[in-house]
Amino acid sequence: SQTIHQWPATLVQPVGSPLSLECTVEGTSNPNLYWYRQAAGRGLQLLFYSVGIGQISSEVPQNLSASRPQDRQFILSSKKLLLSDSGFYLCAWSPWTGMNTEAFFGQGTRLTVV
Amino acid sequence: DQQVKQNSPSLSVQEGRISILNCDYTNSMFDYFLWYKKYPAEGPTFLISISSIKDKNEDGRFTVFLNKSAKHLSLHIVPSQPGDSAVYFCAAGDTSYGKLTFGQGTILTVHP
Repeated sequence: SQTIHQWPATLVQPVGSPLSLECTVEGTSNPNLYWYRQAAGRGLQLLFYSVGIGQISSEVPQNLSASRPQDRQFILSSKKLLLSDSGFYLCAWSPWTGMNTEAFFGQGTRLTVV
Repeated sequence: DQQVKQNSPSLSVQEGRISILNCDYTNSMFDYFLWYKKYPAEGPTFLISISSIKDKNEDGRFTVFLNKSAKHLSLHIVPSQPGDSAVYFCAAGDTSYGKLTFGQGTILTVHP
């Protein structure tokens, strides 16, 4: 069966510090991978998605970047965090086959920038 | 530009009654729709989906209705249970792109 791992669960970082959140998927090959953010009182906003190694699409301009160094690894990064980067970050994957399919989410990372 | 909207931030329902959660979308390219349930500090879990070629899909207590002409879908939960209390997200997908666009979520509270 497929599983998705996302860590850490919570993170408190000072303004201006770097960020690295990691997500890995097991039990599947060539998944589509996604990073979403849920800001306080807001919906799920798609930040990045990837259809393959090294292929990253950014949905919104921001202080963050994403990378996919391996097929089942997706990393969210920042060189210098801003207060506005606080939120709940979710990694997700989907077995994209061209058909209607749902995305499966990790447990999320609560990031607080202080 | 909010392409998927859930205009009700919250809904309160008595146990045993029906819960109706609504969602509107603007992008005609969306061809499938999903509902997710989310508890605090957890990732969303998939509930039910519907393709744009259908107008209804049922799974146990959960039924999703799609009105393409109105660009509107709804999730019905019957009967509602206290364990259903959570945030419910509506999502829409475009088969050609494979990514989901989510609404803002509706907090459902089911009172015993």
